[in-house]
Amino acid sequence: QQQVKQSPQSLIVQKGGISIINCAYENTAFDYFPWYQQFPGKGPALLIAIRPDVSEKKEGRFTISFNKSAKQFSLHIMDSQPGDSATYFCAASGGGGFKTIFGAGTRLFVKA
Amino acid sequence: GAVVSQHPSRVICKSGTSVKIECRSLDFQATTMFWYRQFPKQSLMLMATSNEGSKATYEQGVEKDKFLINHASLTLSTLTVTSAHPEDSSFYICSGRTGTEAFFGQGTRLTVV
Repeated sequence: QQQVKQSPQSLIVQKGGISIINCAYENTAFDYFPWYQQFPGKGPALLIAIRPDVSEKKEGRFTISFNKSAKQFSLHIMDSQPGDSATYFCAASGGGGFKTIFGAGTRLFVKA
Repeated sequence: GAVVSQHPSRVICKSGTSVKIECRSLDFQATTMFWYRQFPKQSLMLMATSNEGSKATYEQGVEKDKFLINHASLTLSTLTVTSAHPEDSSFYICSGRTGTEAFFGQGTRLTVV
């Protein structure tokens, strides 16, 4: 079964700290790994995404690290800010299908 | 990124009535659109995949007669919740796909009373 496992379920970080969220997948046919940010009452917004041909992608304070052999990828939020407090979902898609499979989500709270 | 507009953002309906939710891709053509349901503090659960001009493909356990999906054009898909019951109350989110990227609507909070 296609699955994406995400941890931790919740995360509390001090302002200025680094937030790290981890995901693991099973289906080696996945070829696109996005991260979404969702605020309460809103739809998910694409934050950053990576393909398995690179090991790292950085956009501003957000970095994805990708380990193809371990089938794991993670999101690092540098210099975390209270405005980053939201739920973050990792996801995976590809392998000939068009479905996006979501992780369970991580609720991040950044303390001021 | 591409924009997906979902309407309405909130709707309250009486039990037994039907509700239609619209999903429009504003600046791209979405040959495939997805409908998700999200319960509080949970992840997005894929309900169905709709391709323009053809019948939707429903995920296991989703009642296709209850959740009617129409994808009549490359920019519009609709979800109709028929004979709604309180247990259908949820947050419904649509997504349009362009290439490998999926863009999401703002979501619709449905409350059935």
